[in-house]
Amino acid sequence: DVVMTQSPLSLPVTLGQPASISCRSSQSLVYSDGKTYLNWFQQRPGQSPRRLIYKVSNRDSGVPDRFSGSGSGTDFTLEISRVEAEDVGIYYCMQATHGPGTFGGGTKVEIK
Amino acid sequence: EVQLVDSGGGLVQPGGSLRLSCVASGFSFSTSWMTWVRQAPGKGLEWVANTNQDGSEKHYVDSVKGRFTISRDNAKNSLYLQMNSLRAEDTAMYYCAVGRGAAHWGQGILVTVSS
Repeated sequence: DVVMTQSPLSLPVTLGQPASISCRSSQSLVYSDGKTYLNWFQQRPGQSPRRLIYKVSNRDSGVPDRFSGSGSGTDFTLEISRVEAEDVGIYYCMQATHGPGTFGGGTKVEIK
Repeated sequence: EVQLVDSGGGLVQPGGSLRLSCVASGFSFSTSWMTWVRQAPGKGLEWVANTNQDGSEKHYVDSVKGRFTISRDNAKNSLYLQMNSLRAEDTAMYYCAVGRGAAHWGQGILVTVSS
């Protein structure tokens, strides 16, 4: 199975400052159709996860434009341009390209 | 509005069985892949299983193969997870989600395996 590795584990951020989370896969996530099925999720405390980004860089409906995704092949990044208090939570990447889906271990975003 | 309502969880002894249900509305269930994801207490997300639109294709994480079965009833807009031979390590919140990419999630249902 594809192993997804996220860093950092914990990310203390000052309000209004940017944040960046890295996600690396053990093999390329480019599918035979040429698309890359790498998604990002946010889980706020006590809530179900919510998808933010699909296929590397596409924001889901209702997701603020301060969230952006980038990357290719095996290296991907989620960026928050200016962190707000409501962004506190755990962020996960997930690949849906190869066989069983797999999630990264999560990155906890907190306010300094 | 997409809605996914999970039910069927609870406390079960090791070796026991449970059947989870997820009733969907607000989207075309019969044309959507569906996925189950779980989260052990205080832990991260783990993909469990998914199935294609007519249930003819199913995939499982290795740890549940041979014990869990995913199924669906498109006439009832419902997704199921039959869980047999349950172990303590299956204790988790179980979520159903829409699509292979988990675009929308249910509220989750708690399964506790303990004697």
